[in-house]
Amino acid sequence: AQTVTQSQPEMSVQEAETVTLSCTYDTSESDYYLFWYKQPPSRQMILVIRQEAYKQQNATENRFSVNFQKAAKSFSLKISDSQLGDAAMYFCAYRYPNTGNQFYFGTGTSLTVIP
Amino acid sequence: DSGVTQTPKHLITATGQRVTLRCSPRSGDLSVYWYQQSLDQGLQFLIQYYNGEERAKGNILERFSAQQFPDLHSELNLSSLELGDSALYFCASSVTGRGQELFFGEGSRLTVL
Repeated sequence: AQTVTQSQPEMSVQEAETVTLSCTYDTSESDYYLFWYKQPPSRQMILVIRQEAYKQQNATENRFSVNFQKAAKSFSLKISDSQLGDAAMYFCAYRYPNTGNQFYFGTGTSLTVIP
Repeated sequence: DSGVTQTPKHLITATGQRVTLRCSPRSGDLSVYWYQQSLDQGLQFLIQYYNGEERAKGNILERFSAQQFPDLHSELNLSSLELGDSALYFCASSVTGRGQELFFGEGSRLTVL
């Protein structure tokens, strides 16, 4: 069964610094998709970044980038130049297209940004 | 704006009551997912529909039921409500294309007193 693990319930970072949030997953598949979602205090779920497993290049979206290690089944999110608005809960998610397009979410990491 | 609409945004009711949460997916999205998020918890998958058919079921209680209508909107019915059912209920939709993300509504916050 596919599982997603976020081992860091809470993280903190100084404003303007860099922080990395960890995510590991368990799958026997080779073709799948990974996502990071952000949930700010408003509770809205916002897509941060997406990675396709068949692409070796790590995805990047402005200050957000991932370190995708397929063999290690690791998918970490790096936030550079952290801003106060980055404070949120971050969820890692896995999607395998052929299981009814199911999404599997981790338990989340709460990120605090210290001014 | 994700394009997914959920109503009501807030709902307060008493134990033992029944409520219905409504979701309109993004235009063209055939898949609808329901998630429950209790206070400071992660997302618990409840159920998924695809084009009117139930596709997958997660940790959904027997007191809960859902359906997707021909116009693709979905309803989640919660009955015999208990205090522990207080949570934020998200609806999300997705196209069936490979790699497409979930688009979430703003959620319906249910408080059971």
